[in-house]
Amino acid sequence: DIVMTQSPDSLAVSLGERATINCKSSQSVLYTSNNKSYLAWYQQKPGQPPKLLISWASTRESGVPDRFSGSGSGTDFTLTISSLQAEDVAVYYCQQYYSTQTFGQGTKLEIK
Amino acid sequence: QVQLVQSGADVKKPGASVKVSCKASGYTFTGHYMHWVRQAPGQGLEWMGWIDPRSGGTNYAQKFQGRVTMTRDTSVSTAYMELSRLTSDDTAVYYCARDVLVYGEVGYFDYWGQGTLVTVSS
Repeated sequence: DIVMTQSPDSLAVSLGERATINCKSSQSVLYTSNNKSYLAWYQQKPGQPPKLLISWASTRESGVPDRFSGSGSGTDFTLTISSLQAEDVAVYYCQQYYSTQTFGQGTKLEIK
Repeated sequence: QVQLVQSGADVKKPGASVKVSCKASGYTFTGHYMHWVRQAPGQGLEWMGWIDPRSGGTNYAQKFQGRVTMTRDTSVSTAYMELSRLTSDDTAVYYCARDVLVYGEVGYFDYWGQGTLVTVSS
């Protein structure tokens, strides 16, 4: 199985500041025939199911605020929140879907 | 609008089985694979497998092979996940989640059920 490792495990950022979460896969999740990385990001708030934010490493889902962005390719990926809002407090997960599906361990984002 | 509504919380004894349902509405049930993902208390997300509601075909994570059975009833647009030989390690919230792709599997999920807490305790 592909192992997904996120860093850091937790993060405290001031309102309006940038938050950056990293995700590394144990092998490449880039499918060379279509040049797409099979990587998604989810946001989970307490007591709720995960919400899809980004697919294909950098494609923001409809309705997701543009302060959320994804980048990276191959084995190294980043989720960036450009200006943290109070409603962004949550746990964030990366997920690879290149070979079955595995998730990172999650990154807890809090307000400093 | 798309909705996935799951059955309520359940408590089981070790060694028993549990069956969780996921009723879909707002889209063509047979058009999207349904996945099951679980989350132990305070822990991360673990993919369990999927079912193709059109054919009934399944694909289970190796960890759950022999212990999980995913079925569906297209007449009521409902998917089911049954897990047998339960232990305390199976205490978790179980989610159904719809695959994004129409008539195929890409492997990421756009809609999720609300979750069903299964507690395994003697």
